[in-house]
Amino acid sequence: EAGVAQSPRYKIIEKRQSVAFWCNPISGHATLYWYQQILGQGPKLLIQFQNNGVVDDSQLPKDRFSAERLKGVDSTLKIQPAKLEDSAVYLCASSPGQNNEQFFGPGTRLTVL
Amino acid sequence: RKEVEQDPGPFNVPEGATVAFNCTYSNSASQSFFWYRQDCRKEPKLLMSVYSSGNEDGRFTAQLNRASQYISLLIRDSKLSDSATYLCVVRRASKIIFGSGTRLSIRP
Repeated sequence: EAGVAQSPRYKIIEKRQSVAFWCNPISGHATLYWYQQILGQGPKLLIQFQNNGVVDDSQLPKDRFSAERLKGVDSTLKIQPAKLEDSAVYLCASSPGQNNEQFFGPGTRLTVL
Repeated sequence: RKEVEQDPGPFNVPEGATVAFNCTYSNSASQSFFWYRQDCRKEPKLLMSVYSSGNEDGRFTAQLNRASQYISLLIRDSKLSDSATYLCVVRRASKIIFGSGTRLSIRP
């Protein structure tokens, strides 16, 4: 069974530029999560989708971050404009339902210069 | 104060030793608990869920103490391959909170 796919794997941008990340969850998984993991810290949940609806986005910095899952499958996370402190690994995870095990993708490592 | 706290370590123990670490949580409404393992520069993977009655999976034992608001992970007969960061995860309704992780290094 294919796992969670993410792209790109690495991205280097300058501050104030925009960037977008893509996630394809495991087939049939209704719940999709985006996390930010800064070096030396645990993942921080940014947004959780159930199908194409948002369950929780309380920790998403909405002035610069946005995410969508229009058809309830793939998802994109965008940062516009990026700041130095956005340098982190952005992890996507999916699960069959909200209370099931989460399966993580390999992440996108973002460096903002 | 962070809602989920872990000793960052590193714990450096010899192969074959038993090692244990705890994770404390501050919100008594927390509902479910997990241990994830994260290897260097890799994604987290579920190690085990933590049930109220405690649970064991091979060399790994997890326990929950609701009165004192902590969960624990015990690893017996540690292997070199157990070297990793162990992340505590607490769920409360739609909230999912990861601890910062405890680094474990097993030496030959």
